[in-house]
Amino acid sequence: DTEVTQTPKHLVMGMTNKKSLKCEQHMGHRAMYWYKQKAKKPPELMFVYSYEKLSINESVPSRFSPECPNSSLLNLHLHALQPEDSALYLCASSQGWAGSGEKLFFGSGTQLSVL
Amino acid sequence: GNSVTQMEGPVTLSEEAFLTINCTYTATGYPSLFWYVQYPGEGLQLLLKATKADDKGSNKGFEATYRKETTSFHLEKGSVQVSDSAVYFCALSSNAGNMLTFGGGTRLMVKP
Repeated sequence: DTEVTQTPKHLVMGMTNKKSLKCEQHMGHRAMYWYKQKAKKPPELMFVYSYEKLSINESVPSRFSPECPNSSLLNLHLHALQPEDSALYLCASSQGWAGSGEKLFFGSGTQLSVL
Repeated sequence: GNSVTQMEGPVTLSEEAFLTINCTYTATGYPSLFWYVQYPGEGLQLLLKATKADDKGSNKGFEATYRKETTSFHLEKGSVQVSDSAVYFCALSSNAGNMLTFGGGTRLMVKP
């Protein structure tokens, strides 16, 4: 299994809603990532988990809350989002550190629309 | 800091044409270099990579050579197909941080 699975594929939410994005991988990868991608832009790193511990938070607003319940799962909890948070949210994983030249495996993403 | 610059698109080619997408980088130390591809409605997939100077990465007819003297990693393919239509991202990673630095992306459109 060389896939990163993200659910849901599409999500529409109001600014007062609470929702969660889910990501799962069964490759035994120890690093997992959340990226945000706006249309026609490259992905922007949000969070990095290494061995289930948050190792990088790229100054992301607190309305985004990551969680890594175990080595295979990564969640992104959303609360009180703004319309400008509408984007494609990508999860990725790697065996080792991205900085050491490791390949990242990406999921297909969740297309989020905030109304 | 690290940065990646790639040519802006869209690049529009006819099928079987030769493709070049330019990529240059700025980095401290000895980065690893990557090309990722994103097909419509999907996440990114690694296309090829090179981890040291003069290495050539290749996959599916695409090639790129790590040129330290010109800080470049240009993507080439001798004969493109309609199925190659996608957005291509050049990226680098270095041991200065556990992250990839992406270029802005280049959209390739191949017409039959």
